[in-house]
Amino acid sequence: EAQVTQNPRYLITVTGKKLTVTCSQNMNHEYMSWYRQDPGLGLRQIYYSMNVEVTDKGDVPEGYKVSRKEKRNFPLILESPSPNQTSLYFCASSLRGRGTGELFFGEGSRLTVL
Amino acid sequence: SQQGEEDPQALSIQEGENATMNCSYKTSINNLQWYRQNSGRGLVHLILIRSNEREKHSGRLRVTLDTSKKSSSLLITASRAADTASYFCATDEGAGGTSYGKLTFGQGTILTVHP
Repeated sequence: EAQVTQNPRYLITVTGKKLTVTCSQNMNHEYMSWYRQDPGLGLRQIYYSMNVEVTDKGDVPEGYKVSRKEKRNFPLILESPSPNQTSLYFCASSLRGRGTGELFFGEGSRLTVL
Repeated sequence: SQQGEEDPQALSIQEGENATMNCSYKTSINNLQWYRQNSGRGLVHLILIRSNEREKHSGRLRVTLDTSKKSSSLLITASRAADTASYFCATDEGAGGTSYGKLTFGQGTILTVHP
């Protein structure tokens, strides 16, 4: 089944404790992206990647890191999480390298930073 | 900054009625897409309209695009209770058929369809 898989789905952590949210897609998509969703703010793009070893900042990259060492994986790293990073995070992928096509979304990772 | 802005923020209708949602954006685009999200779930792609297209249909969905006004609308005809969800427009920024690789979402319209 074609899908984007995120883990963990739910996480409660404390300020400053490094964490990684993994994202994996099995559709051989070139384009991958991370979004965060907050009430009243819609979805805001954190980082995106148009291919392996190519990453670019979105609208809200501060406090986050990403890497794209393999085509299928695009982990989101929070080196020192803070409470303002409490949010619902979505990973998405698209077939086309420049992200022009339909995005496939994961089910989301709900992160709470205390 | 948010590229797309949806209007209205919330819409409540009866089953069988049509629902119209609007999206405005600011920069040049390669295409515009509409997505649906059931509460707390991942977004699901509905339809994509390219910058050189004016109207597109898919089942009960009709999308229009006016690049001169930088606006789009999504019409859902003969709505059903199962259409209750949030709907987002997303703009693929670019020009001349070339994407800049950045897909930006609006804040969404919450649609409630009463049985």
